[in-house]
Parts: sequence; C-alpha cells; structure tokens
Amino acid sequence: DTGVSQNPRHKITKRGQNVTFRCDPISEHNRLYWYRQTLGQGPEFLTYFQNEAQLEKSRLLSDRFSAERPKGSFSTLEIQRTEQGDSAMYLCASSLGAQGLAFFGQGTRLTVV
Amino acid sequence: DQQVKQNSPSLSVQEGRISILNCDYTNSMFDYFLWYKKYPAEGPTFLISISSIKDKNEDGRFTVFLNKSAKHLSLHIVPSQPGDSAVYFCAASAGSGNTGKLIFGQGTTLQVKP
Repeated sequence: DTGVSQNPRHKITKRGQNVTFRCDPISEHNRLYWYRQTLGQGPEFLTYFQNEAQLEKSRLLSDRFSAERPKGSFSTLEIQRTEQGDSAMYLCASSLGAQGLAFFGQGTRLTVV
Repeated sequence: DQQVKQNSPSLSVQEGRISILNCDYTNSMFDYFLWYKKYPAEGPTFLISISSIKDKNEDGRFTVFLNKSAKHLSLHIVPSQPGDSAVYFCAASAGSGNTGKLIFGQGTTLQVKP
C-alpha cells in the first residue's frame, strides 16, 4: 500500500498525558499537512510542511501542540498535557507541490478521558 | 468565521435519482474547489474539483457546477447508487490552486436508498 499511513489508528489517553501521532506520506510527496476533525465538522487545517520546513501554523495549534518532519519524510504530531477538548480525529495529508492533489490518510482518533 | 458552508447536514435520495449537494463560500480569494467523500473510519477521498476559471466539470456520474457571482457550487450525482452513501465535504483553496491547504465545509451526509 503506497498511500498515506497514520499510526496509531486509535488512541485513548487520560487528561494531562502526552500523546504522539505519526504520519508517513506518499514517498515522493514533498508537502505534508495536518488537519483536525471534530464531530459534525469538516477537517480544520493545523499546519503544513514543505520537505522538513514547517511553513505555516494555524492559530488552532496551541503551544501544547508541536509537529515535526525531521528528514522531510514522516511527520509526528505531539500534544502535551492533553485536554478533553483535544478529542478529535487527526488527519494527515500529503501532496506533490502546492498544486498537487492532497491525499489523506485514515486518521488517528484521539479520545481524552 | 465559516468561510465554506454546507447548510444541509443530510440528504436522502432514492437509488437512480439525482443527488444535489450544495456549498457556499464567502472568501472571494478562493480559486480552486474540491469535493471529497468520506466513509466512516476512513480519511477523505478526492472526488472531483473545479478551477474558478470554469463553471462546470464533469467526471462520469459526478458533475460540479460553480457560480462565482453567487459564491456557490454544487455537486450532482446521476444516477445515485447505494455505494455513494457517505459524508461529502466541499473544500476550497486560495492562491494558484494550492490544493493542500484546504478550507472545508461541515459536510453533508448522503444516504442513497435502494
């Protein structure tokens, strides 16, 4: 399977704990995006990378959130001191350049209890 | 500030009939529009797109219409099939068709009844 891969698929954590998600994009794609989707809403843009450079961060990305793409390949999204409001589906997408179509992974569903 | 709106949370149609999903936007800088389909527990899958220089794009059973003056687009599915039952998201981008950073609507759940 050469699509966008996200791990884990599901994560249940206690409030206050840190969590980290991983995204493996399509191999030749240089752009990688993170989105968050809550119930009844569409995906909301969080941040994106071009190669290893993080070029834009949404105001939705509070100081507790950090994303990295150290070698321009896979990316991680870490949430520190999780809150119940962080419960959502976290989606990763990748594209080849700005005009390339974005392909989405299956997402990581986070539940904070 | 919801820049892309899908005002119908759900739509139910009979198999074989036409499904029409609507989307409105407010930002006149948007120049590229996409429709994604999403099944439960899966990520969004690209369906069809349209550039702001066009007013119609067709791909098989799917046609997207764009009315720039009304800031409105619609997705027509003809004929509708039970396998089309899913959540449909309208999305928009600004800046030379940057299709990665997208603004999504809230989604419309389509149910196609056999």
